[in-house]
Amino acid sequence: ETGVTQTPRHLVMGMTNKKSLKCEQHLGHNAMYWYKQSAKKPLELMFVYNFKEQTENNSVPSRFSPECPNSSHLFLHLHTLQPEDSALYLCASRPTSVGYTDTQYFGPGTRLTVL
Amino acid sequence: LAKTTQPISMDSYEGQEVNITCSHNNIATNDYITWYQQFPSQGPRFIIQGYKTKVTNEVASLFIPADRKSSTLSLPRVSLSDTAVYYCLVGDLNSGGYQKVTFGTGTKLQVIP
Repeated sequence: ETGVTQTPRHLVMGMTNKKSLKCEQHLGHNAMYWYKQSAKKPLELMFVYNFKEQTENNSVPSRFSPECPNSSHLFLHLHTLQPEDSALYLCASRPTSVGYTDTQYFGPGTRLTVL
Repeated sequence: LAKTTQPISMDSYEGQEVNITCSHNNIATNDYITWYQQFPSQGPRFIIQGYKTKVTNEVASLFIPADRKSSTLSLPRVSLSDTAVYYCLVGDLNSGGYQKVTFGTGTKLQVIP
């Protein structure tokens, strides 16, 4: 248990559906991340938010739309996905204060299947 | 970002010490070395972090030579539950308030009974 929660844990959706993934942390962290992990591939960084501002978009297709309403919550809105988008989507948070041991705290992930 | 290179996989018997080495020839002065562990269908979990020499915690030890171009994660007396993928990351903790790191392919450790 890392203190980062993700919902839903499993999601099956059609290519025409619209769904959202939710990530929540109450660790007081100000940086939040979305990663994608496909089968037998390394984790791919998708988005980074720092103090609610998006500071990194790693050339992610527009069918993935992130939203960070506050430092504790991060969403990933999905629409018109493709079967190749099926993967484990991981959220992570990280403290940004000086003097910390740098650690990203990962949630359990959402296993997404696109039919 | 400094690139890291690790063995793709390793096998070890229970009770043995396992050493996983990571190469990071282009490591920068401000970069730290961090190791994560990931079990299937779970998010990675922080194991240990260091800058130079040796760091030890309740889970593992991290050895970093003087030139810092490599690092070795040492897991003492592994058990079946240590079967996982281990990632070595290098990054600057002070990069503008957040850190962009790249997870490589990691090393898949299989512990054998």
